[in-house]
Amino acid sequence: EADIYQTPRYLVIGTGKKITLECSQTMGHDKMYWYQQDPGMELHLIHYSYGVNSTEKGDLSSESTVSRIRTEHFPLTLESARPSHTSQYLCASNRGQTQYFGPGTRLLVL
Amino acid sequence: DAKTTQPNSMESNEEEPVHLPCNHSTISGTDYIHWYRQLPSQGPEYVIHGLTSNVNNRMASLAIAEDRKSSTLILHRATLRDAAVYYCILSPLIQGAQKLVFGQGTRLTINP
Repeated sequence: EADIYQTPRYLVIGTGKKITLECSQTMGHDKMYWYQQDPGMELHLIHYSYGVNSTEKGDLSSESTVSRIRTEHFPLTLESARPSHTSQYLCASNRGQTQYFGPGTRLLVL
Repeated sequence: DAKTTQPNSMESNEEEPVHLPCNHSTISGTDYIHWYRQLPSQGPEYVIHGLTSNVNNRMASLAIAEDRKSSTLILHRATLRDAAVYYCILSPLIQGAQKLVFGQGTRLTINP
C-alpha cells in the first residue's frame, strides 16, 4: 500500500483565487511528479522533481508552479485560478521502476 | 518516446481470464514495459512491469513476445473490481526521472 496523500480531494473555487494543492509521501522517495488529467482524457506530466530544491517542467505546459523544500512534500500552486485550470491533478512518487500515485485533487474553477 | 497501441475497450465476464494486448513495435532495447490501471475516480495503480522475460505477481502476469514488439497483460480470474482503464507504457531504464507517457489505454468492462 502506497503512502502518498493529496489534499484537498475536491476544490471548487472562483476565478482569480490563489490555490495550493498539497502532496506528501512518507516513503522517502526522491522523485516526485504532478500529472494533469481532464475528464475522460489521458494523463499528462506537468512537473517533476529529482529531489529537494529540484523542479522541472513536464511535457505539458502548465501555468502552475511547484516547490520542493522537503523530500516528503511537493505542493503545486496556481497564482490565479481560471476555468481552464479545471481538471484532476495527480501526484506521484517513485524509487525504482514503480510509481505510486495519490488519489488526486479534482479542481473546479468557476 | 516509443509509442504503444492498445484496443480502446474490451469486455469480459467475471471469473474468466482476460488477455489485454499491447503493441510496441518501436520499443528500444532499454525500454521496460509497464502496466498501470486506473479504477474509476482514483489515481493510477501499478500492476506489473518487465523487460524481456515473462513476469508474474499477485495481481497479474505479463507475457512478452520474443521480439519484444508486443506484450499481453493477463488477469487470470477477473473480478468486478478489475474494471478499470489499463495502460501499457514504455519507460527506459531510469537514469533520472521516470517520465511516464500515458496513452488512452484499454477500458476493461467486467460483466457479472
